[in-house]
Amino acid sequence: EIVMTQSPATLSVSPGDRATLSCRASQSISSFLAWYQQKDGQAPRLLIYGASTRATGVPARFSGSGSGTDFTLTISSLQSEDFAVYYCQQYNEWPPAYTFGQGTILEIK
Amino acid sequence: QLQLQQSGPGLVKPSETLSLTCTVSGGSISGSNYYWGWIRQPPGRGLEWIGSISYSGSTYFNPSLKSRVTISVDTSKNQFSLKLTSVSAADTAVYYCARHKVGQQMRDPWGQGTLVTVSS
Repeated sequence: EIVMTQSPATLSVSPGDRATLSCRASQSISSFLAWYQQKDGQAPRLLIYGASTRATGVPARFSGSGSGTDFTLTISSLQSEDFAVYYCQQYNEWPPAYTFGQGTILEIK
Repeated sequence: QLQLQQSGPGLVKPSETLSLTCTVSGGSISGSNYYWGWIRQPPGRGLEWIGSISYSGSTYFNPSLKSRVTISVDTSKNQFSLKLTSVSAADTAVYYCARHKVGQQMRDPWGQGTLVTVSS
């Protein structure tokens, strides 16, 4: 099983500042990585897939990068609606065994 | 517009079977080579993929849950279902349904989520 590790567990950032979230895979997953945003009481929302492709309707301030084992989600200028929990997910394995990271809480500083 | 609507009981007794259904509207469950999956989230914790099924009945499961999970599809009703047997308190979670293609990410929209509590 591929283990996904996110860091930090909690990130405190001021509105308007940049946030950088990290995700590391226990073995290479090429670019088969997605990022999701989850707000309280809501289902996750897809932000990024293929490590760097924004999903439909996702603002340009969200960007993803990385390949292999190390990945980053960057939010360039934080808006109030961006404070939430972010999860990475790998989908590289066959047969499918999708695994998620434990999440990063992005909170207002 | 595609919607996934979940239904099923919110309370299950220990050792019994958890059963949930996800009904797809605004599109066909048989179309475009999608798989239909279940994901759960224990209170205050992260996401765990449970398993997925195609419209033709091909299934994939999380190895850690495989022995207790059944996922089925009913194309005539445009719905798919989850059964998890021998539940314990550790299975208390919000359960979500979602779609994806094989080897790809989960796609929006997800189901609304169902909190299932295992308690006597």
